[in-house]
Amino acid sequence: EPEVTQTPSHQVTQMGQEVILRCVPISNHLYFYWYRQILGQKVEFLVSFYNNEISEKSEIFDDQFSVERPDGSNFTLKIRSTKLEDSAMYFCASSEGTVGEKLFFGSGTQLSVL
Amino acid sequence: GENVEQHPSTLSVQEGDSAVIKCTYSDSASNYFPWYKQELGKRPQLIIDIRSNVGEKKDQRIAVTLNKTAKHFSLHITETQPEDSAVYFCAARDRGFQKLVFGTGTRLLVSP
Repeated sequence: EPEVTQTPSHQVTQMGQEVILRCVPISNHLYFYWYRQILGQKVEFLVSFYNNEISEKSEIFDDQFSVERPDGSNFTLKIRSTKLEDSAMYFCASSEGTVGEKLFFGSGTQLSVL
Repeated sequence: GENVEQHPSTLSVQEGDSAVIKCTYSDSASNYFPWYKQELGKRPQLIIDIRSNVGEKKDQRIAVTLNKTAKHFSLHITETQPEDSAVYFCAARDRGFQKLVFGTGTRLLVSP
């Protein structure tokens, strides 16, 4: 069964550093998403992406965050200057048909900001 | 915006028993309600979903019911097995948006 893959599985960084989280969505999927989960809290929406542009973003997704699909397979989330409160599990997801439905999630990147 | 509440936070059952997890949502415009299962250290996996034009949906041992008037939906697992042990998340999507709003999760433990 096709899967969304994410790398790295764990990322440790110093506060103020830039990080790039990488994802390879399922190949025939059209919609891509990033969600995050701070330990012990709800899974939260960050951004959705379609047709090479952001289609929706949350208030969490401020100017420090950006997404890119640099080629036909990768989908990346960049955090320009990490803060302590950015520490979380970041999930990439993709979906094929109706936007926001039947999301397939990756296994996540655990980001720790020290 | 949408807010989803989920109960209970933990649920322990004996193998063979039924388990019910309940969620409430706040926005009557929400029209899509998925349930995800997350085993320890693994990705969330979609196990069943329901749209607002349907009151109930079943897939083998799992079923979801939706009450639009009361704005709540429930996951029912019958004949539970130890491999059903996991964290279960409900979610809701507002018709006008793309994002899923998740509940806080229920840790289900099925004892042999």
